[in-house]
Amino acid sequence: GIQVEQSPPDLILQEGANSTLRCNFSDSVNNLQWFHQNPWGQLINLFYIPSGTKQNGRLSATTVATERYSLLYISSSQTTDSGVYFCAVEASTDSWGKLQFGAGTQVVVTP
Amino acid sequence: DGGITQSPKYLFRKEGQNVTLSCEQNLNHDAMYWYRQDPGQGLRLIYYSQIVNDFQKGDIAEGYSVSREKKESFPLTVTSAQKNPTAFYLCASSIRTTYTGELFFGEGSRLTVL
Repeated sequence: GIQVEQSPPDLILQEGANSTLRCNFSDSVNNLQWFHQNPWGQLINLFYIPSGTKQNGRLSATTVATERYSLLYISSSQTTDSGVYFCAVEASTDSWGKLQFGAGTQVVVTP
Repeated sequence: DGGITQSPKYLFRKEGQNVTLSCEQNLNHDAMYWYRQDPGQGLRLIYYSQIVNDFQKGDIAEGYSVSREKKESFPLTVTSAQKNPTAFYLCASSIRTTYTGELFFGEGSRLTVL
């Protein structure tokens, strides 16, 4: 099946700093989603972005499907940005419904 | 408010017992999913359902069972056949499109086997 690799695995930021999280995938995809899991376990969908660029406030994401990667940018980080960020992809060859999650990037934003 | 409700949030089970986790959504979504998360890992798909009275096995369906009798509900039973059931279980839903729609998650249920 498709492999999803996220980097870095851990990231410590000072409040106000910018950062970039990366998601590499091993096959062509027709679906890519980014999620944030807060320290209490709640998962929130950040972006539905199989290709192109999207922005939502201080967060933005870019997917370059032809080169098999996606980037999540966090600008002016805040302590509420702490948590785990997951990338999930659906391979073009997979049947409907099978989103494959990466292992995540653990982000800690310090005051 | 529209959303997904999972219950219970915490559950303790003795070995050999079956337990059922509830998932209810009022988002009018056709598709529903169950994922399992182990510490420090990503999510793995257990079962998913595109429409009422139909569901498919995900990557780790052994030892689990589901039903989809109503659009709003997708309960998961963790059976005694599941060898390592202690985990965090997440239910999600989405609209039904050509590809998996944007996923919305419940708050999760933490199952501990004693």
